[in-house]
Amino acid sequence: DQQVKQNSPSLSVQEGRISILNCDYTNSMFDYFLWYKKYPAEGPTFLISISSIKDKNEDGRFTVFLNKSAKHLSLHIVPSQPGDSAVYFCAASWRSGTYKYIFGTGTRLKVLA
Amino acid sequence: NAGVTQTPKFRVLKTGQSMTLLCAQDMNHEYMYWYRQDPGMGLRLIHYSVGEGTTAKGEVPDGYNVSRLKKQNFLLGLESAAPSQTSVYFCASRGTRTSGDGANEQFFGPGTRLTVL
Repeated sequence: DQQVKQNSPSLSVQEGRISILNCDYTNSMFDYFLWYKKYPAEGPTFLISISSIKDKNEDGRFTVFLNKSAKHLSLHIVPSQPGDSAVYFCAASWRSGTYKYIFGTGTRLKVLA
Repeated sequence: NAGVTQTPKFRVLKTGQSMTLLCAQDMNHEYMYWYRQDPGMGLRLIHYSVGEGTTAKGEVPDGYNVSRLKKQNFLLGLESAAPSQTSVYFCASRGTRTSGDGANEQFFGPGTRLTVL
């Protein structure tokens, strides 16, 4: 039973264009959603998050959108740069209680120069 | 400030051997986690700790044990390694500092690549 799903294992985008990475979840009790970026042979690093009480959060080139009714979130990267090529993980958490995080399977983004 | 470090970076074991993976953090974080990453499976939680002297099971705890004797260290043990435990292991820690949106993000170590033959 996968509570957080990233259905696209890979995505290729031209440099300068928009990258859209998607994530679906099933548990309506999640309070926070986070995106992590992972380069080969490194640990994941935190990118951006969104609270369940919001529908959008922006940080520079990165914007996360949350659609609670559809249980769907997306990460937009504009403009995409070759250095953005990495695996992106979506994660969900509960603010209190279990202190645990549920991760999706990741989407490999390749930005073509 | 090294953040989260993991020892060793690589290890090859034979079936039945034992080993301990060490995770250390210098951020005074309360919460620490061990994950494994397998192709197509994402990050799966093995065990976690919400404070010194405490541990709890995650999604895939079987075949692993953990200890948190000191706040800064979280050890992951394999008593009798099996080929199914071939994976990349990540340690993470989390404090009470939140991102601008209020989320408590985790800080990850660089990983340990373990192969069990």
